[in-house]
Amino acid sequence: AQKVTQAQTEISVVEKEDVTLDCVYETRDTTYYLFWYKQPPSGELVFLIRRNSFDEQNEISGRYSWNFQKSTSSFNFTITASQVVDSAVYFCALSEGAGGGADGLTFGKGTHLIIQP
Amino acid sequence: AAGVIQSPRHLIKEKRETATLKCYPIPRHDTVYWYQQGPGQDPQFLISFYEKMQSDKGSIPDRFSAQQFSDYHSELNMSSLELGDSALYFCASSLGPGQVFDEQYFGPGTRLTVT
Repeated sequence: AQKVTQAQTEISVVEKEDVTLDCVYETRDTTYYLFWYKQPPSGELVFLIRRNSFDEQNEISGRYSWNFQKSTSSFNFTITASQVVDSAVYFCALSEGAGGGADGLTFGKGTHLIIQP
Repeated sequence: AAGVIQSPRHLIKEKRETATLKCYPIPRHDTVYWYQQGPGQDPQFLISFYEKMQSDKGSIPDRFSAQQFSDYHSELNMSSLELGDSALYFCASSLGPGQVFDEQYFGPGTRLTVT
């Protein structure tokens, strides 16, 4: 069975600090997809990134970067020079793609990130 | 850009009543997913549809049913509502399995309160 673990329940940093959110996953499939979503206080779920299991390249998008390491089953997310607007709950999620269907996502418990001014 | 539309945005029902939630996917998306998020919880996958057929099933109670229509919109029907059904219900849509960019985009959610 698939599982996503976000060990950090809550992180609080001061604005402009860098912060890394950890995500560890478990799956028996060789084909799978990893995601990060942001849920601000307003409640919507905002898609940030999708990575398939065959692509271990790290990715950078502005102040956001992602580090995917299959050897440790981790898909960590780093925010550089954090801003107050980054305050939100961040979810890591996994879907197993081998079935060829519209597979649902398995989410981690989320990390509540608080950026203090 | 067009997003996923969910209606209603808020719904208050009493125990044992029924509720119907609607979801209109992003244009050209033929795949719809339903999730339930309780207070302080992570979203839990309920069910998905691809090309109007049920595709994957998660922890959807037997009291709930869903379908996808010919215009690709979807409805989640909930009967014999219980207090524990109070949650935020998200619909997500995607281009569908096998597509290069089939990430799920979520709607704003329907907040259901059962009293």
